[in-house]
Amino acid sequence: GNSVTQMEGPVTLSEEAFLTINCTYTATGYPSLFWYVQYPGEGLQLLLKATKADDKGSNKGFEATYRKETTSFHLEKGSVQVSDSAVYFCALPASGAGSYQLTFGKGTKLSVIP
Amino acid sequence: DADVTQTPRNRITKTGKRIMLECSQTKGHDRMYWYRQDPGLGLQLIYYSFDVKDINKGEISDGYSVSRQAQAKFSLSLESAIPNQTALYFCATGAGGTDTQYFGPGTRLTVL
Repeated sequence: GNSVTQMEGPVTLSEEAFLTINCTYTATGYPSLFWYVQYPGEGLQLLLKATKADDKGSNKGFEATYRKETTSFHLEKGSVQVSDSAVYFCALPASGAGSYQLTFGKGTKLSVIP
Repeated sequence: DADVTQTPRNRITKTGKRIMLECSQTKGHDRMYWYRQDPGLGLQLIYYSFDVKDINKGEISDGYSVSRQAQAKFSLSLESAIPNQTALYFCATGAGGTDTQYFGPGTRLTVL
């Protein structure tokens, strides 16, 4: 089945710093790729997704580009805020089309300090 | 109102007790999922259901059972709770030809 590896945390940044959270994947074909975010005390929320190679997903100032050459989907934000403190999960379908199951990375905890 | 709700939000129980976690959704989605989250391990799939008559085991189904009472309701049961089932449990839904899933707020379960 497909799998995903994301950088381990925790990551601590100062406000307005640049953020990169690395995510690489192993997959059959070119499945959709996802970033989910979990704020303290809450469930996971879809942050962004990309459905095909070279697509860029974006939301709330975050971006990630689906790169098939490097099998990566790194999450970036140019200027983080304290409110971005959360756990971020990279995910992709567990197997082929129609399985409708997601496999998640282990999560990267981000703390942004003023 | 939240699209995916879970009850209870927090539960403390004792070893050997039976406990049920409930999930309801107003999104009209056919697919529903139960996950478990442990620190540092990401999310692990317990059970999933593609419709009322279709229930499937996930990667860690031992010690758990589920019931899909209606399209909108999917319950997770622990028949005899044990301490290593202490975790955060999430329900999720999905629909159509997309892999996107939508999560509830979670239930924090502690088994003493």
